[in-house]
Amino acid sequence: GDSVTQMEGPVTLSEEAFLTINCTYTATGYPSLFWYVQYPGEGLQLLLKATKADDKGSNKGFEATYRKETTSFHLEKGSVQVSDSAVYFCALSRNQFYFGTGTSLTVIP
Amino acid sequence: GAVVSQHPSRVICKSGTSVKIECRSLDFQATTMFWYRQFPKKSLMLMATSNEGSKATYEQGVEKDKFLINHASLTLSTLTVTSAHPEDSSFYICSARVPGTLHYNEQFFGPGTRLTVL
Repeated sequence: GDSVTQMEGPVTLSEEAFLTINCTYTATGYPSLFWYVQYPGEGLQLLLKATKADDKGSNKGFEATYRKETTSFHLEKGSVQVSDSAVYFCALSRNQFYFGTGTSLTVIP
Repeated sequence: GAVVSQHPSRVICKSGTSVKIECRSLDFQATTMFWYRQFPKKSLMLMATSNEGSKATYEQGVEKDKFLINHASLTLSTLTVTSAHPEDSSFYICSARVPGTLHYNEQFFGPGTRLTVL
């Protein structure tokens, strides 16, 4: 069945460091792929999405490219800030959503 | 656009009581809504799919008599936790699917409800 495998955390980075959170998926057909962010005590916010192969989603300096050949959708940011500290979820969607386990990111000044 | 609200944001109740959580789509009509449960430091677990005007579809292992879902209108779905127990304490999140092709396969999430059962 469909599934998402996400890099285990927690991840701790210094401010302005480069971020990569790996995400790979298993699915039949052509799912849409998403990254959501969850700040402490809050719900999920859509960070970015891609609906077809080679699409690049981007928002707030974060990027992820839909790679069908490697079934991946890795999240990257060139220079993280303290305010980026949160839990990040990779997800795929066909008829329903399948979430990864989440990766906790802490950015220290 | 595509805003989903939940009420209440936090609720504390005594063991044995029932609690109702509302999920509303504010600026669109949602024929399908979803209810998730999130355990501490864990991912989201889909509990049920709620379809307007029909019975909800529950995921395996979710007690339908304990978690009552009603989707009486195109903008409102409710989750009632009946005879709540401390193990029902969790973060409950709803989402709604936006009809049409523009947001195909996308869901919009509510801010969540923190339930604590004493």
